Amino acid sequence: AQKVTQAQTEISVVEKEDVTLDCVYETRDTTYYLFWYKQPPSGELVFLIRRNSFDEQNEISGRYSWNFQKSTSSFNFTITASQVVDSAVYFCALRGGSARQLTFGSGTQLTVLP
Amino acid sequence: DTGVSQDPRHKITKRGQNVTFRCDPISEHNRLYWYRQTLGQGPEFLTYFQNEAQLEKSRLLSDRFSAERPKGSFSTLEIQRTEQGDSAMYLCASSSLMPGTGVGTDTQYFGPGTRLTVL
Repeated sequence: AQKVTQAQTEISVVEKEDVTLDCVYETRDTTYYLFWYKQPPSGELVFLIRRNSFDEQNEISGRYSWNFQKSTSSFNFTITASQVVDSAVYFCALRGGSARQLTFGSGTQLTVLP
Repeated sequence: DTGVSQDPRHKITKRGQNVTFRCDPISEHNRLYWYRQTLGQGPEFLTYFQNEAQLEKSRLLSDRFSAERPKGSFSTLEIQRTEQGDSAMYLCASSSLMPGTGVGTDTQYFGPGTRLTVL
């Protein structure tokens, strides 16, 4: 069975602060894929990143960075110098190697205050 | 270039009525997925199509739910005899698997969703 845990239900930060969103996953598959999506108030899920289980390199994209650690089954997401426009619900998701569907965590509501 | 579109965006219906939602995937995406999202939760998988074939259905998809993708392009999701517990956001996603790549290497792109309220 696949499981994704996002223990932080809500996080509130002041603009320009750095913030890290935690994601812990469980899977028995040796090959799997991890994702982060952003869901702004409009409701549409916006794809941010996909990471393959055999690639543990961390990735940076502008103010966003991701830390993948297989040893702790974690795939954490950091926003540097947060902005008000970053306010949204962020979901971590997992897909086992042979599965088609995504298994989502319950999401973290991030509020960035001006 | 258009993304995944869904229609309607909002639907309010009375308990016991039938409703149908439509999803238009990204052009040339051969995979299409339906998910359901309730308040405060992440999306939950309902069903999956590859071209016109429905290859997987979740146990969440009761007998009152039916999905089709008749020509491998748009898809419809119908709920018969709606119940208040069906109130949720219904999300559609599409993806395309590049030839020669691994099974799970496609990325799902989501539409804006249809918010269903059953009174």
